[in-house]
Amino acid sequence: AQSVTQPDIHITVSEGASLELRCNYSYGATPYLFWYVQSPGQGLQLLLKYFSGDTLVQGIKGFEAEFKRSQSSFNLRKPSVHWSDAAEYFCAVGGSSASKIIFGSGTRLSIRP
Amino acid sequence: DADVTQTPRNRITKTGKRIMLECSQTKGHDRMYWYRQDPGLGLRLIYYSFDVKDINKGEISDGYSVSRQAQAKFSLSLESAIPNQTALYFCATSDPNGTPGDEQYFGPGTRLTVT
Repeated sequence: AQSVTQPDIHITVSEGASLELRCNYSYGATPYLFWYVQSPGQGLQLLLKYFSGDTLVQGIKGFEAEFKRSQSSFNLRKPSVHWSDAAEYFCAVGGSSASKIIFGSGTRLSIRP
Repeated sequence: DADVTQTPRNRITKTGKRIMLECSQTKGHDRMYWYRQDPGLGLRLIYYSFDVKDINKGEISDGYSVSRQAQAKFSLSLESAIPNQTALYFCATSDPNGTPGDEQYFGPGTRLTVT
């Protein structure tokens, strides 16, 4: 069955500290992987995506993610978080001709001043 | 102007009432989606449409119906609202002929409360 697991419901990090949000997926075919961010009161915005090529993907706002096929993971990282990064982050998986994307349950990120 | 708009942005309604949530897009995409978001559950797909003549149920379609009036418009209806339909509803679009992997573009959401 296709699924996405984000094991961390809520993470708090200090401003300026590094960040890693975990994502594990289960998908029968070659996965297309996404990270979306939802700021308070806003819709979802795409941070980055992976569908082929280099397994380290750069996104907007200084985020990056690494696809590890052997671990079925697509973890999101940022070397130094800013207070404006406080939001909810969703990992998602789809396929090249998938009818839909499957979303994880989200990780809420809080920033400690 | 936003590419994907949703109306209303907030709505409070009573149990048993019929309510329609509307979504419009200017991206020219064929595919449109309706999701609901509940705390701790992420986004769950209610219905999706690949073109005006194509409507498909998602994982939680019971109690909902949709109408694809045009390429740019996709409405979600609750025929008889119940309190557990209180949620944040998102419309999204995608263009399978564009970026691989069916990247989706989201509207700002409609917060629906059923009392």
